[in-house]
Amino acid sequence: TAGITQAPTSQILAAGRSMTLRCTQDMRHNAMYWYRQDLGLGLRLIHYSNTAGTTGKGEVPDGYSVSRANTDDFPLTLASAVPSQTSVYFCASSDSWEGVEGDNEQFFGPGTRLTVL
Amino acid sequence: DAKTTQPNSMESNEEEPVHLPCNHSTISGTDYIHWYRQLPSQGPEYVIHGLTSNVNNRMASLAIAEDRKSSTLILHRATLRDAAVYYCILRDHFGNEKLTFGTGTRLTIIP
Repeated sequence: TAGITQAPTSQILAAGRSMTLRCTQDMRHNAMYWYRQDLGLGLRLIHYSNTAGTTGKGEVPDGYSVSRANTDDFPLTLASAVPSQTSVYFCASSDSWEGVEGDNEQFFGPGTRLTVL
Repeated sequence: DAKTTQPNSMESNEEEPVHLPCNHSTISGTDYIHWYRQLPSQGPEYVIHGLTSNVNNRMASLAIAEDRKSSTLILHRATLRDAAVYYCILRDHFGNEKLTFGTGTRLTIIP
């Protein structure tokens, strides 16, 4: 199986433009996440979704929106990009914690490197 | 989530064991200890996790102190491919699935 795929691999975007980062998983995981990683730092959670149809805010949600229309896809949208959103973006998924000891492994995609000029 | 403290960097010789420490003095009774690693230019990958007892898998071993205020990730025989940033993360058993990453330990393997 492919696991988690992200597109595009990299992108240069002019400030003020909008963009959607795509994320698809084929593991039928209920939960999905978006993280950003700035140079030399750990990952920070942007938004998450515990199941299709629901989303929640993470640590750094401002300037980003997400949707979860189905189990497999979890797109991240930047409505009006700013240079501070230059980062590497990782999508991840895991089985839902509900009914399971809350220790499910998260699977990460390869990342999207975004540069906003 | 409770915080963890790790050294910023460590070095080890190839084919020798590596012990990566993590302090988590404010750990709660329902926190699991998770380890992830991030190879260069890749997303993080799961390594191992545990609650109270020591754990072994094909990648590593996790030794948990009796008071659970610290733990050690053990790579039994380091290879060049193990060069990565290693993250020690606490996750609440009753919380959701979110991971809170710190800055981790950058492990360098010396050939």
